[in-house]
Amino acid sequence: NAGVTQTPKFQVLKTGQSMTLQCAQDMNHNSMYWYRQDPGMGLRLIYYSASEGTTDKGEVPNGYNVSRLNKREFSLRLESAAPSQTSVYFCASSALVGLAGGEQFFGPGTRLTVL
Amino acid sequence: GNSVTQMEGPVTLSEEAFLTINCTYTATGYPSLFWYVQYPGEGLQLLLKATKADDKGSNKGFEATYRKETTSFHLEKGSVQVSDSAVYFCALSGQGGSEKLVFGKGTKLTVNP
Repeated sequence: NAGVTQTPKFQVLKTGQSMTLQCAQDMNHNSMYWYRQDPGMGLRLIYYSASEGTTDKGEVPNGYNVSRLNKREFSLRLESAAPSQTSVYFCASSALVGLAGGEQFFGPGTRLTVL
Repeated sequence: GNSVTQMEGPVTLSEEAFLTINCTYTATGYPSLFWYVQYPGEGLQLLLKATKADDKGSNKGFEATYRKETTSFHLEKGSVQVSDSAVYFCALSGQGGSEKLVFGKGTKLTVNP
């Protein structure tokens, strides 16, 4: 099993460009998440999907959209990239959101730079 | 709302030294508590967890005890190795796991030979 995979690993954008970060999991998990990691800020939740067909905003959703394409895939889109979106983006999945003690499994991350 | 506060880093230790990374939390009810570890260039992975008061999570020589009276979940290891160099994150999920994970800001540990 590959676990959680993310593409691309690295990306450089110019301000105003758009792009989609892809995430897929092969663990048959119901819930998927997108986080951003910034120095000194820990991980902050952007969006999550508790189950196929549902998405909800997290702590820092502005400037992002998501699509839960099917149970396996959860994409994050930047419509008009800004330098403030320079960050490392992690996708994660878990069996259930709301499962006590449930573990989240993380992908390797996408390092995005917006010039 | 729920929050996690962990000690600021970076922490630099010599091999075989004792490690403590402090973590305290604010939450209503009985959250589940976690320590995640991030090795250089990788995503986070679960190190250990505890789901109720007085539970002790342990893994790879690391331990943490869920202390409700002090709202703490400090990470300890008796003898660190160079391979333990990583960033450690304390996290919680709400009572019964009913909320998403809330992370601390992370503590970078460097272990020198």
